[in-house]
Formats: sequence, structure tokens, C-alpha cells
Amino acid sequence: SYVLTQPPSVSVAPGMTARITCAGDNIGRKPVHWYRQRPGQAPVVVIYYDTDRPSGVPERYSGSNSGNTATLTISRVEAGDEADYYCHVWDSGSDQYVFGTGTKVTVL
Amino acid sequence: QLVESGGGLVQPGGSLRLSCPASGFRFAGHVMAWVRQAPGKGLQWVSGISGGSEDKFYADSVKGRFTISRDNSKNTVYLQMNRLRAEDTAIYYCAKDSSRVGMFNDFDLWGQGTLVTVSS
Repeated sequence: SYVLTQPPSVSVAPGMTARITCAGDNIGRKPVHWYRQRPGQAPVVVIYYDTDRPSGVPERYSGSNSGNTATLTISRVEAGDEADYYCHVWDSGSDQYVFGTGTKVTVL
Repeated sequence: QLVESGGGLVQPGGSLRLSCPASGFRFAGHVMAWVRQAPGKGLQWVSGISGGSEDKFYADSVKGRFTISRDNSKNTVYLQMNRLRAEDTAIYYCAKDSSRVGMFNDFDLWGQGTLVTVSS
């Protein structure tokens, strides 16, 4: 089955940039979606189709996807960005949705 | 809005049926899914069903034990869980596929989850 690997944790100071990677075999050929999950809450989509932002998500959130790595970038990080983040794809080879392993973002 | 129910404590080998009534969107036009999260762990997709129930999809870990279904007249999706194991213990979320481009997109609406605990 298709596997998406993320770093377990990323630490960043307020005002700096956080980059969260999602590695998968030829992931650049698949649309990638990203979710933010705050403690005790359900996930919320923050980027869909590699680069698009739902209404209400700040422009500080951006995405890219190429080759074997997709990346979620959070610019000018704020305390409220502290959460777990997951990448997500549909794998047509196995007819399954797949989530990444998740990354905990800590704001120092 | 999505509101899951049906979770609880069940013994290994037992069964539970989760329900997720939906409101506020055209239910029949969307793939619906179940996603679970074990305590302190990451998200794991469990199952999905197309709008007209023609296609059903399952994670390898639940195939043959879980059955997804939907009733579009009641705007509700279900998850029948049989032969439950300790490793099925998790919060189970109901989620709506956005249908931005056909099927299999992002999940743009989630419920708050229902806790399933499998233990003797």
C-alpha cells in the first residue's frame, strides 16, 4: 500500500517559517491535501489540491508538490499555528485514501 | 454538519454500528468516509462510499470485518463493525469528500467523532 512519511515534529520561533514535508513515491503525480488538527478537535483542511486554500485559511499557509515530496509552508508563524498537521492523498493503485504519519508543530 | 453516534465500550470479538447523519449539503452528491484516530496516534482512513453506494472502499486492516453503507433518504452514513479487536480502539470521525473535482478529493467537513473502546 501507498505510504506517506512526515517528520514527527517541527519546532519554529514566532514570526519564522515552518516547512512540513510529506514524502511518497511519485507524490508529485497526485493531488495532495493538508489538514491541521488542534488538540481535542477534528481536523480541518488548510490546503487542497497541492496549493489551494479554503476560504478563511490565512495566506500564510501555502503548499507545493513535486517529485517525491509535498511541502506545507507556514509563514510568519503564530502561537495559534501550533497543532498536528497531516498530508492526504487518494491512491488509485489501491483504491484507498492515505494519510501521512503526521507532524507536530511546536511554536517556541 | 456531521454528528457521529454509536460508539462505546465493547468486548473483543463484539460488534458496533456507527451512524452519521448529515445536514446542510446535498448528501447524495458526495463520497462519505470514516477516519479513525487511536489514542495519541495519527489519522487512519477506514472506509469510503460513493454517493449512490455503487463503490465501497476499505483499508486493509478492516476489510472483511467492517461494512460501510448509506441511506440517502435519511442523509446518513453508517459503519458496521464486526469482530472488533483491541487495535480498533479509536475516535471514529465521519468525513465528507468535497467533490471539488469528481470523486476522491479532500475532506472538507468532519464530525466531532465518537469513541470506540474495545476491551474486556
